[in-house]
Amino acid sequence: KNQVEQSPQSLIILEGKNCTLQCNYTVSPFSNLRWYKQDTGRGPVSLTIMTFSENTKSNGRYTATLDADTKQSSLHITASQLSDSASYICVVSANRGGGGADGLTFGKGTHLIIQP
Amino acid sequence: EAQVTQNPRYLITVTGKKLTVTCSQNMNHEYMSWYRQDPGLGLRQIYYSMNVEVTDKGDVPEGYKVSRKEKRNFPLILESPSPNQTSLYFCASSLFASSYNEQFFGPGTRLTVL
Repeated sequence: KNQVEQSPQSLIILEGKNCTLQCNYTVSPFSNLRWYKQDTGRGPVSLTIMTFSENTKSNGRYTATLDADTKQSSLHITASQLSDSASYICVVSANRGGGGADGLTFGKGTHLIIQP
Repeated sequence: EAQVTQNPRYLITVTGKKLTVTCSQNMNHEYMSWYRQDPGLGLRQIYYSMNVEVTDKGDVPEGYKVSRKEKRNFPLILESPSPNQTSLYFCASSLFASSYNEQFFGPGTRLTVL
């Protein structure tokens, strides 16, 4: 069964500090991995997408890494800001083939709180 | 502005009273999808549509219906809502079904079934 596990469940850090969120997956056949940011009461917004051959991808202060061998990904946030307070969701796609839609497996998310 | 809209944003109803949550996108996207989000469970896919008149079940389709009569609209229908369908619902769309295409999510509909 395809699974995506995220850790920690929740995290509180002070403004200006860095943090790293983890995502471990067992999804096959792997197609890509995407990180979403979900502000409270709003829909998720994509931060980055990574394919099998990509190790690192950045989007401003957000840097995602992927180790396809160990099936692990991380999202590193540099110099955190109050606006980074949100849930961060890891989504791994499996290629179903046959022209159908890719199968998506969602992690439960990490709830990040940035304190002033 | 390119967006996905949902209505209503909040709804309180009673068991068995049929309801429809509308979803509309103005980006000419072919792929649309419905999700529910519950505490501790994350997002789960209810139904998806790869194009007009083409719909398929997601992971948790029981108790829901959808239709895709036109490209921009993808309503979610609860024929006989039950309390276990109390949840936060999101509609999403992307250019095509491939997961390489970013999904754009609506603002969510918070449904309470008493």
